[in-house]
Amino acid sequence: QSALTQPRSVSGSPGQSVTISCSGTSSDVGRFNYVSWYQQHPGKAPKLMVFDVTKRPSGVPDRFSGSKSGNTASLTISGLQAEDEADYYCCSYAGYSISRVFGGGTKLTVL
Amino acid sequence: EVQLVESGGGLVQPGGSLRLSCAASGFSVSSNYMNWVRQAPGKGLEWVSVIYAGGDTFYADSVKGRFTISRLNSHNTLYLQMNSLRPEDTAVYYCVGSMAGTIEDYWGQGTLVTVSS
Repeated sequence: QSALTQPRSVSGSPGQSVTISCSGTSSDVGRFNYVSWYQQHPGKAPKLMVFDVTKRPSGVPDRFSGSKSGNTASLTISGLQAEDEADYYCCSYAGYSISRVFGGGTKLTVL
Repeated sequence: EVQLVESGGGLVQPGGSLRLSCAASGFSVSSNYMNWVRQAPGKGLEWVSVIYAGGDTFYADSVKGRFTISRLNSHNTLYLQMNSLRPEDTAVYYCVGSMAGTIEDYWGQGTLVTVSS
């Protein structure tokens, strides 16, 4: 099972918006509405930011939003803040025998 | 509140074995499905294995035949038995709890496994 494809890095200035893409296939992202996004700061465990494509866990700011079109999912972060600087990973359900497939990660730099 | 606490990581020589544990509270290991996910130093996340409520188990090709996922329902604990360990198995291993019908996963804090001579 191949990993999902994410850009290696994105950047933006405080207050701006950035979008991170996650390209999969018709066997994972395109087939299931089970896409999630994680934020990871150095030395910390991944933190769930978006699940089931568009839903946010309690406590996650509404500046974080998810969407999907075809085989590509996206995470948009609006009103960038310094603390948003982190690595972001997308994840998709990929079927009963694979369960999860991850993107390679995107490093977000807040300029 | 859901809590998943991993233990059992450490330094092991190539070819050695290690058993990881994940103690769950606020979340039923037997009624839901559980995954192990790992992250090598400086690398991305990699799915390792899953065990479903009905007992079915599956593995990533990279660990198939060497790792075994299991659970002890009475202790609400998940395990990962790792045999024939290789240097490339060096990673932080995360226990991930999942409910059917959603990808809203719950993660532990991870346990570091280092395979080196």
